[in-house]
Amino acid sequence: SAVISQKPSRDICQRGTSLTIQCQVDSQVTMMFWYRQQPGQSLTLIATANQGSEATYESGFVIDKFPISRPNLTFSTLTVSNMSPEDSSIYLCSVEQGAQETQYFGPGTRLLVL
Amino acid sequence: EDQVTQSPEALRLQEGESSSLNCSYTVSGLRGLFWYRQDPGKGPEFLFTLYSAGEEKEKERLKATLTKKESFLHITAPKPEDSATYLCAVPRMDSSYKLIFGSGTRLLVRP
Repeated sequence: SAVISQKPSRDICQRGTSLTIQCQVDSQVTMMFWYRQQPGQSLTLIATANQGSEATYESGFVIDKFPISRPNLTFSTLTVSNMSPEDSSIYLCSVEQGAQETQYFGPGTRLLVL
Repeated sequence: EDQVTQSPEALRLQEGESSSLNCSYTVSGLRGLFWYRQDPGKGPEFLFTLYSAGEEKEKERLKATLTKKESFLHITAPKPEDSATYLCAVPRMDSSYKLIFGSGTRLLVRP
């Protein structure tokens, strides 16, 4: 399975600022995904990021708030813009790999907005 | 509407006390059911994929089974290191690569 790293692993930010989260994969993958996991809750898909095309966002998530880049087949970034305390969550990237189309997850970025 | 429901929400077991976790789903044309384990502060770790009713998969003390409406994760003689949140997920009907996750079962195994 793919080895996925995320930076930063955690951060504490002030409201109104922005944070860019990086996701690096050790192999080339077509599909990368960004999820949010709010405290005590399960995972919610934010967007799908394919290399060479614009990210597609799920209902309730917009590009102005969560801009995504996918410059190549091993890397993606998610920016959380104009943050508020409600954005405090774990942000996870995942990749789809293998014949069984399994999703593998990174370790997550734990964000606290004050 | 596609939906995944897990029960119980939380489960406390004594070491060695076997039990089962449930994942029920309402999605047309199931194209796989995934089980993950998530430790606090970490990303989900893939455990199993099941595709058809009657299928079973095992890994150490864990065995996952699948019927047409639900999946069970059986834990046999659990150890404290099995303590984690167990998540199940199914692909959405409109998109096979977009997963719907259940809310998870928080398992605590006491020594």
